[in-house]
Amino acid sequence: ETGVTQTPRHLVMGMTNKKSLKCEQHLGHNAMYWYKQSAKKPLELMFVYNFKEQTENNSVPSRFSPECPNSSHLFLHLHTLQPEDSALYLCASSQWQAGGPTDTQYFGPGTRLTVL
Amino acid sequence: RKEVEQDPGPFNVPEGATVAFNCTYSNSASQSFFWYRQDCRKEPKLLMSVYSSGNEDGRFTAQLNRASQYISLLIRDSKLSDSATYLCVVNKIVGGSQGNLIFGKGTKLSVKP
Repeated sequence: ETGVTQTPRHLVMGMTNKKSLKCEQHLGHNAMYWYKQSAKKPLELMFVYNFKEQTENNSVPSRFSPECPNSSHLFLHLHTLQPEDSALYLCASSQWQAGGPTDTQYFGPGTRLTVL
Repeated sequence: RKEVEQDPGPFNVPEGATVAFNCTYSNSASQSFFWYRQDCRKEPKLLMSVYSSGNEDGRFTAQLNRASQYISLLIRDSKLSDSATYLCVVNKIVGGSQGNLIFGKGTKLSVKP
């Protein structure tokens, strides 16, 4: 399945590095999401974009910086991360309808990030 | 009460067994309910949406009890391939509107031969 793709799949970086995660959705959706999944914790929603506009930032540290150039692409720019930021970062997309019920989200395979 | 709470698991069952997962949610205004499945080191994938009237998809049956704010998933005739973590998912209510999804921690199922 290639509805939502993410690159890279694995990333090891030092605390002083700058890197970016990329997500692309081929489903024609208008909303995209970044989630963080750490061991033994539920998925944590980080950022939401509807129609390319950021609509939610769940108190995410500024060392994570999202970018959504169009409704099909989403980036997560990483800068001076900490070892506790090591996790699986998942991108998802959905078709958002104003005033409607929350629609199903489709996930990419994730980027497994290790911060040394 | 946590926003979405699930049985802690893990559930270890033999092939062919019937297993049930339970989930409770805190906001009575939520309207969207889902069960997702997540295999080890993979992304979550939608297993089924949950409707008020209950719904069935092959060996899987999902039920919703709005009065008790309770969702269940029943798996009949378990297969080895059912081994995964099952995530209960409910939408968040923000300012009276239907918002984003909240995921439970998940319940791990291991089906043994």
